[in-house]
Amino acid sequence: DAMVIQNPRYQVTQFGKPVTLSCSQTLNHNVMYWYQQKSSQAPKLLFHYYDKDFNNEADTPDNFQSRRPNTSFCFLDIRSPGLGDAAMYLCATSRGQGTADTQYFGPGTRLTVL
Amino acid sequence: AQKVTQAQTEISVVEKEDVTLDCVYETRDTTYYLFWYKQPPSGELVFLIRRNSFDEQNEISGRYSWNFQKSTSSFNFTITASQVVDSAVYFCALSEASSSNTGKLIFGQGTTLQVKP
Repeated sequence: DAMVIQNPRYQVTQFGKPVTLSCSQTLNHNVMYWYQQKSSQAPKLLFHYYDKDFNNEADTPDNFQSRRPNTSFCFLDIRSPGLGDAAMYLCATSRGQGTADTQYFGPGTRLTVL
Repeated sequence: AQKVTQAQTEISVVEKEDVTLDCVYETRDTTYYLFWYKQPPSGELVFLIRRNSFDEQNEISGRYSWNFQKSTSSFNFTITASQVVDSAVYFCALSEASSSNTGKLIFGQGTTLQVKP
């Protein structure tokens, strides 16, 4: 089945220790998104790639970076995680062939910062 | 400004009851899209429905139905004969055509539905 995969599902890191979360997709979608979702809150868009074009949200901290080496994979790098970065990180994809294509989400990675 | 409001923070029902989740949106665009997603305890956001602003027809899918009314800027979601497996957080979301190909989703705060046996 075509899908969005996120690894790992649970990640524990230490305060200030860089961490990378990964997302892959078999849908061959053009657009990949990263969202941060804190407890009892709605998902918040951090950035997205339309193909190789990177689009950062204005309020995304510099501590968060992303890489998309090919169509299938996208990574979220947190350079120096703080306690406030503990959250669920959701990856999503969409075709990007028209406005407001449906976004399909992966299962998420729950990040704990000690 | 664009905004989605889900006024109900938490709803608790007993199995087999019908339940309606409210969603009110604000946008200046004439072309926009509305979505509902389900987030079970496992965390994954599951797509339920997408509706564009030019299609006000109500939709039914099994026990799920959606009522889109542009006159009141509402897109409400009804679950008929609720089941325990319906327990989840439900998000309503808006995407404006002016966001071009980014399809940025503006989420409501979510409604937590608990269905008790």
